Amino acid sequence: AAGVIQSPRHLIKEKRETATLKCYPIPRHDTVYWYQQGPGQDPQFLISFYEKMQSDKGSIPDRFSAQQFSDYHSELNMSSLELGDSALYFCASTPRGVGGGYTFGSGTRLTVV
Amino acid sequence: GQNIDQPTEMTATEGAIVQINCTYQTSGFNGLFWYQQHAGEAPTFLSYNVLDGLEEKGRFSSFLSRSKGYSYLLLKELQMKDSASYLCAVRWAGGKLIFGQGTELSVKP
Repeated sequence: AAGVIQSPRHLIKEKRETATLKCYPIPRHDTVYWYQQGPGQDPQFLISFYEKMQSDKGSIPDRFSAQQFSDYHSELNMSSLELGDSALYFCASTPRGVGGGYTFGSGTRLTVV
Repeated sequence: GQNIDQPTEMTATEGAIVQINCTYQTSGFNGLFWYQQHAGEAPTFLSYNVLDGLEEKGRFSSFLSRSKGYSYLLLKELQMKDSASYLCAVRWAGGKLIFGQGTELSVKP
C-alpha cells in the first residue's frame, strides 16, 4: 500500500541557509500535517493544510512557511536556519472527516551546523 | 488548553503485561490515539479511541474514559521488540494531534 513519502530523508545545512522539505500524502488524502520532533521530545505540531488551504497553525516560526499544491503534496520552507532547527520533521496525512487513519511519513532529519 | 501527561519511562519483563497511562486536559477532545515510535523512526499507529471503553487489537488494547480524561495502553505478552517510546496523542478540534511527552518502555529478558 502507498505510504506518505517525505524527501529528503536526511539534510545537512549551515546556519542561515534555507531548506525545503517535501511531503507526498497517501493518494486521496486531502489533509496534511507537519510536525517537528527535537531530540528526546514529543512531536510538536507546526501547520496543517486541507484542500490546499492552511487549516491550522501551531508553533511554527515566522522563518518557516509551507503550502499545499494542487496534487496535494506539501512543502515546508525554512529560512535563516538556526542550530535549534535541527530535528526530525514528520509529515502526516489523513482523509478529512475520518476517525483515525493518521499516517506518518518516515521523516526528514535536518541537521543544522 | 491542552495538557497531556504520561510516565517518562517504564521497565517490564519479556512475556509480562504492562499498562501505560495517559491523562489529558483538553478543551476540544475529538479522539485519543496511541502511537509506537522507535528512535529516529516515524510514529506507528497502534489504536484509536473516541468513545468510552476498551478497544482490543491483538496484543494491544486501549481504554478511554472521557469523563476522567484518562486512557491507558495495555501491552500483553511483551516481546523485546516492544521496547520503544509510546506516545499518547489527543486529536484536537480542527484535526491536529497534540502529543504527550512519550513513555520510554524497556523490555528486559
